[in-house]
Amino acid sequence: EVQLAESGGGLVQPGGSLRLSCAGSGLSFRSYWMHWVRQAPGKGLVWVSYINSDGTTTRYADSVKGRFTISIDNAKNTLFLQMNSLRAEDTAVYYCIRAADSGPYDIWGQGTMVTVSS
Amino acid sequence: DIVMTQSPDSLAVSLGERATINCKSSQSVLYSSNNKNYLAWYQQKPGQPPKLLISWASTRESGVSDRLSGSGSGTDFTLTISSLQAEDVALYYCQQYYSTPRTFGQGTKVEIK
Repeated sequence: EVQLAESGGGLVQPGGSLRLSCAGSGLSFRSYWMHWVRQAPGKGLVWVSYINSDGTTTRYADSVKGRFTISIDNAKNTLFLQMNSLRAEDTAVYYCIRAADSGPYDIWGQGTMVTVSS
Repeated sequence: DIVMTQSPDSLAVSLGERATINCKSSQSVLYSSNNKNYLAWYQQKPGQPPKLLISWASTRESGVSDRLSGSGSGTDFTLTISSLQAEDVALYYCQQYYSTPRTFGQGTKVEIK
């Protein structure tokens, strides 16, 4: 079965750090772009970051630039999101998503919840 | 950034009736070199991730009911559910993947009247 599985979410204090992981099974990250999208409780979908298949190109939303770092381990079929200096407004479900270059989001993970609160 | 605006925010439709959701982009998402609209529709049910329904504005994904169809070009798009069924109750989002950041509409909640 083709799937993406996120992990690493949880409760963290403002200013803290978390590292999210996304493991792919039944699929390859090669030749695809991997994205993170988040959804705050009761709110809509917001793009966070993407990385290309060989890890040489990354982009970030302005709201996370300088605080979040996306990376990829193709050998392990795993995507990461290192989140530092977390703020209350980063509280959301974070989804890992596969997309063809310039294509739609065809495979989504189930999401992992990140809560930033004291 | 391209702003995506959906209308209405919510709608209630009787079973078997037609539901129509509109999506407008602040600039064209039609790529002239290949004549493709970089516009997708997703369905999200409570507690689940979104599911891709339609890509390239009108291409239905495998396994998606033919009661759902997408249309439009340039800046104006429509998702139509021809005969609403109970399993169609969900949130629907449009998204442009023409440029980064890839932006979504605010969502439209579809309910049974």
